[in-house]
Amino acid sequence: EDQVTQSPEALRLQEGESSSLNCSYTVSGLRGLFWYRQDPGKGPEFLFTLYSAGEEKEKERLKATLTKKESFLHITAPKPEDSATYLCAVQRGSGNTPLVFGKGTRLSVIA
Amino acid sequence: EAGVAQSPRYKIIEKRQSVAFWCNPISGHATLYWYQQILGQGPKLLIQFQNNGVVDDSQLPKDRFSAERLKGVDSTLKIQPAKLEDSAVYLCASSKGVGTEAFFGQGTRLTVV
Repeated sequence: EDQVTQSPEALRLQEGESSSLNCSYTVSGLRGLFWYRQDPGKGPEFLFTLYSAGEEKEKERLKATLTKKESFLHITAPKPEDSATYLCAVQRGSGNTPLVFGKGTRLSVIA
Repeated sequence: EAGVAQSPRYKIIEKRQSVAFWCNPISGHATLYWYQQILGQGPKLLIQFQNNGVVDDSQLPKDRFSAERLKGVDSTLKIQPAKLEDSAVYLCASSKGVGTEAFFGQGTRLTVV
């Protein structure tokens, strides 16, 4: 069974204090690992897809990396508007399979 | 490009009543998903459609939940009868196809009292 574990559950940062969120996964043949951002009362918003170990993607203050067992979402010099829940999801490689999500990390950035 | 549309945004019903949610995916997206998100949890797949065929409904409580995708475009999810534990946000998402990212709607927040 595919499993995704995200840590920490919650993270509180001062503005400008860089940190990383972790996503550990167990999946039979990874097709892709996805990062989403979810604001309260809204649906998840797509951020990145990573397909193979060693791959990295960046968007503004966010950088996602992937190894064979985990992914990291690095947040550099965060701002209060980065406060949200960050969700990680995996898709298995065989057939048209759905995304399996972790529980998310709730990030609060304090000014 | 218009996003995934869902309605209603909010619904409050009594237990044992029925409720239906509607979703219009992004134009041209063949794959449509319904996810259930309980407060503090990640989304959990209920059902996945490819065009108008069901790909995965293994986690759909079929004694009370049903879903259809009309003509491979719009979709409805129905709960009958509702239970207290069905209180959650119901998210619809769509994607172009295999291995591509899914785009989510705003969700429907259901409260069963």
